[in-house]
Amino acid sequence: GNSVTQMEGPVTLSEEAFLTINCTYTATGYPSLFWYVQYPGEGLQLLLKATKADDKGSNKGFEATYRKETTSFHLEKGSVQVSDSAVYFCALYSGAGSYQLTFGKGTKLSVIP
Amino acid sequence: SAVISQKPSRDICQRGTSLTIQCQVDSQVTMMFWYRQQPGQSLTLIATANQGSEATYESGFVIDKFPISRPNLTFSTLTVSNMSPEDSSIYLCSVELVRTGGEDYGYTFGSGTRLTVV
Repeated sequence: GNSVTQMEGPVTLSEEAFLTINCTYTATGYPSLFWYVQYPGEGLQLLLKATKADDKGSNKGFEATYRKETTSFHLEKGSVQVSDSAVYFCALYSGAGSYQLTFGKGTKLSVIP
Repeated sequence: SAVISQKPSRDICQRGTSLTIQCQVDSQVTMMFWYRQQPGQSLTLIATANQGSEATYESGFVIDKFPISRPNLTFSTLTVSNMSPEDSSIYLCSVELVRTGGEDYGYTFGSGTRLTVV
């Protein structure tokens, strides 16, 4: 079946540090890949997505590249801000008759001034 | 994109009771989804709800425990029945973003309902 593995948290960084949150996946076919963000007390928001190999999703300074050869979709940001503190979820959608999103466990990021 | 209002945002309930969670969308959507997020765990799909038909439940979830209503294209409810402490979780509803040109944009989520069963 499908699965998503992302790095364990929590991750604590100083403001303006470089962020990487690793995400690897197992899926049949050619899934679409997503990063969602959950700010404290709020629902999940779509941060970025990629639908095919070598696609790069980007939003709000965050980037992730769909790497089929390594089955990865790592999230990166060059300079984090305190406002980026949240829980980040990697997810995939494989289609093939199922509408289910498969999520990783989430990585909590705390950015300190 | 769609905006989802979910209520209640949180509740503390006695074991053996039931709680109904409401999800209102600001536009018509074909499918609505209910997820559970247990403490320290990832999100798990409970069921998919289409208007005018019975919900489709994922393995491990049954209608008697999690009855779902979908009376129209903008509203759905999930009931957590005969609750036990193991039901303490965050419950989220979700809808699929409008497709443009056949492209799948992913899913939008409500803010969630934090349920604690004591």
